[in-house]
Amino acid sequence: KAGVTQTPRYLIKTRGQQVTLSCSPISGHRSVSWYQQTPGQGLQFLFEYFSETQRNKGNFPGRFSGRQFSNSRSEMNVSTLELGDSALYLCASSLSPGLAENEQFFGPGTRLTVL
Amino acid sequence: SQKIEQNSEALNIQEGKTATLTCNYTNYSPAYLQWYRQDPGRGPVFLLLIRENEKEKRKERLKVTFDTTLKQSLFHITASQPADSATYLCGVTDSWGKFQFGAGTQVVVTP
Repeated sequence: KAGVTQTPRYLIKTRGQQVTLSCSPISGHRSVSWYQQTPGQGLQFLFEYFSETQRNKGNFPGRFSGRQFSNSRSEMNVSTLELGDSALYLCASSLSPGLAENEQFFGPGTRLTVL
Repeated sequence: SQKIEQNSEALNIQEGKTATLTCNYTNYSPAYLQWYRQDPGRGPVFLLLIRENEKEKRKERLKVTFDTTLKQSLFHITASQPADSATYLCGVTDSWGKFQFGAGTQVVVTP
């Protein structure tokens, strides 16, 4: 079974631009979550989606948004990029909703650099 | 506020010894606690999940304990090997269902 895939793997943008990251979950998984990882803040929860609905959102500004499609694939968008948005963005999929009791399978991440 | 704390200092351990990592949480009442392993530049990999009514759980050379009174989980790697060198993260879900990870503890196993 193929794992979680994320595209692109690397991205360089300049301040003020916007970016869209994509995540394809493991086949059959309907829950997708996104995380931001930086050396200073560690792994921080961005959002969780299940059946095209956002179930939860972390403490990030409105510039961070996401969506999930009917095939469970998900995208996240960051608008008006800031230098501090430089990070590794990780997507994880789970068989069922509810992150507490479900194993999350992570993708390799998208490394975003904002110049 | 809700916090998850893990030892920030790297744990250096000799091959064959047992590594013990600590995860303390504050203002959470998690029914489950999870442990993940992360290698540099890669996404975390799930290792173990323990429920609040389970005091201990084992998987091969790994053992996790969960003490809801102390609000602490201990993660043990027995007979450690250089291949066990990685960062280990614990995580729980907060009251609103958002998953929170600790900062992680780096383990370095030397031959």
